[in-house]
Amino acid sequence: RKEVEQDPGPFNVPEGATVAFNCTYSNSASQSFFWYRQDCRKEPKLLMSVYSSGNEDGRFTAQLNRASQYISLLIRDSKLSDSATYLCVVNVVGFQKLVFGTGTRLLVSP
Amino acid sequence: NAGVTQTPKFQVLKTGQSMTLQCAQDMNHEYMSWYRQDPGMGLRLIHYSVGAGITDQGEVPNGYNVSRSTTEDFPLRLLSAAPSQTSVYFCASSPTGRTEAFFGQGTRLTVV
Repeated sequence: RKEVEQDPGPFNVPEGATVAFNCTYSNSASQSFFWYRQDCRKEPKLLMSVYSSGNEDGRFTAQLNRASQYISLLIRDSKLSDSATYLCVVNVVGFQKLVFGTGTRLLVSP
Repeated sequence: NAGVTQTPKFQVLKTGQSMTLQCAQDMNHEYMSWYRQDPGMGLRLIHYSVGAGITDQGEVPNGYNVSRSTTEDFPLRLLSAAPSQTSVYFCASSPTGRTEAFFGQGTRLTVV
């Protein structure tokens, strides 16, 4: 089983739609969680950290469910510029490394 | 603001050649790492360093060497290039291995 698993997509949505991605992680000792965004042929960039109580940044909301070992990303009012690959990233306590999921591709169309 | 700088951006090697991918950061981060990204495989950790003089292996270290003589620089050496090393390579730095990582722009390497 992969440490971090994501649905690869692509998710095709129209502008203005709401879309949600889930990510599951296998190690219950995971302690830090992030969503990164990667545009085509570019480097990954941090979108947002994910906190236990959930957090929001504009149109983006991240949730963590430790009991079920998954994190989610909700994007409201999708824009064309949201088209990208979204990477779920996890750190396991005691290990100095981040583990990346393979990413979920989002395509927002006019 | 330079952040993480990788060179070169593109490289074509012949099988058996060696080369060094350069990575430098100006954020005074202790932690640096190298990843390779292949279609369908996501980012896989090659080597990482928690500070100058300290390096360790990641998930896919074979065929690669690293050293960390300064806080700023973390070069990745391919000892004898193989077609299986055709990939996009990213260098990253962060305050620790548990916090946000900042990535360089990547090196697209093709081994023929």
